[in-house]
Amino acid sequence: QVQLQESGPGLVRPSETLSLTCTVSGDSISNYYWSWIRQPPGKGLEWIGCISYTWTTNYNPSLKSRVTISVDTSKNQFSLKLSSVTAADTAVYYCARVSYSYGSGSYHADFDNWGQGALVTVSS
Amino acid sequence: QSVLTQPPSASGTPGQRVTISCSGSSSNIGSNTVNWYQHLPGTAPKLLIYSNDQRPSGVPDRFFGSKSGTSASLAVSGLQSEDEADYYCAAWDDSLNGHVVFGGGTKLTVL
Repeated sequence: QVQLQESGPGLVRPSETLSLTCTVSGDSISNYYWSWIRQPPGKGLEWIGCISYTWTTNYNPSLKSRVTISVDTSKNQFSLKLSSVTAADTAVYYCARVSYSYGSGSYHADFDNWGQGALVTVSS
Repeated sequence: QSVLTQPPSASGTPGQRVTISCSGSSSNIGSNTVNWYQHLPGTAPKLLIYSNDQRPSGVPDRFFGSKSGTSASLAVSGLQSEDEADYYCAAWDDSLNGHVVFGGGTKLTVL
């Protein structure tokens, strides 16, 4: 059974860079795509982006200029960096495994395993 | 404002059947598969339905997903108190180099 665990600072100052790491156990990071999703307080889920072990990435167009997702296959981890943060970036950040495929003219991408989430607060 | 449109709330009494809608466009639901997630406060979201109508192992067959054109629906039959949660639809969107879009979420209340 795959398990994912987010880690990183719970408090980030405005204008700085938010950095989180997701450690994957029970599965090789080389077998799937991996994603970051967030939920601001009182709001819905927002997809941030995803990456494959070959470093193929896709990002939310609204966050693309500030987001970098990377993977470290030697540590079975992937990471999120979000620059120039503001209070609007305060959220619970989840990492998730992506089941991604293309067939019969349709893309399929579902998040079949999630981490427990990490609350990141942006405040001075 | 979310790309996929869901009603903010839905409700039903125990044993009833409730349906949650998800409306999109030709670049997302109209072209690609739809997934549904169940989210209980303080826990990780859970994949409930994938590929429009498939249930992962362990999901009761009381949950039923369907898709038609640019809309999708999640039906919950035999409503139980533990079904009270937030439900989100999601799909791949072909625009802007491809990305995932979520609905705004529907809070299901069991009366």
